[in-house]
Amino acid sequence: KQEVTQIPAALSVPEGENLVLNCSFTDSAIYNLQWFRQDPGKGLTSLLLIQSSQREQTSGRLNASLDKSSGRSTLYIAASQPGDSATYLCAVYRSQGNLIFGKGTKLSVKP
Amino acid sequence: NAGVTQTPKFQVLKTGQSMTLQCAQDMNHEYMSWYRQDPGMGLRLIHYSVGAGITDQGEVPNGYNVSRSTTEDFPLRLLSAAPSQTSVYFCASSNSGALSYEQYFGPGTRLTVT
Repeated sequence: KQEVTQIPAALSVPEGENLVLNCSFTDSAIYNLQWFRQDPGKGLTSLLLIQSSQREQTSGRLNASLDKSSGRSTLYIAASQPGDSATYLCAVYRSQGNLIFGKGTKLSVKP
Repeated sequence: NAGVTQTPKFQVLKTGQSMTLQCAQDMNHEYMSWYRQDPGMGLRLIHYSVGAGITDQGEVPNGYNVSRSTTEDFPLRLLSAAPSQTSVYFCASSNSGALSYEQYFGPGTRLTVT
């Protein structure tokens, strides 16, 4: 059974710091992996999707990597800002559109 | 495009009542699904559909019914609401013809069952 784990569960950093969020999964036979952002009481905002044949994706200050063989993905946030404060969710595609989510990392960036 | 829309945004039910959560998408996506999000549990798949007339169960289907009569709509029915169904419900869709299968999520429905 596929399980997705995100460590740490919560993280507090000062503004301007570079940081890494971790996601691990138990079954390497995944289709894709997607990172989302969720603000309190809000829906899911897609940040980056990495297809199974890719190793990384970049968007602005965000970079996500995927290593299927080790069952790991990381989300790198450069020069963090208070506006980055949110919960970050990792989800692996067990099949087309069938996602298994981690429980998220709650990030707080202090001014 | 409106993307994925969900109604209502908020709902309070009494135990035993029934209701339907609506989900619609205007992107002509074949694949649609429902998730629930609970504190400490993450998002879990309830039901999904790979096209009109085809539905299947996800991880937590008990207490929920779905049908898919059109490509655009995928309603989720609670036949007899229970307090354990208090949750935030998200609908999602994707294009099965796209290599990425990227999921697009609706804004969610917050349901409280008393």
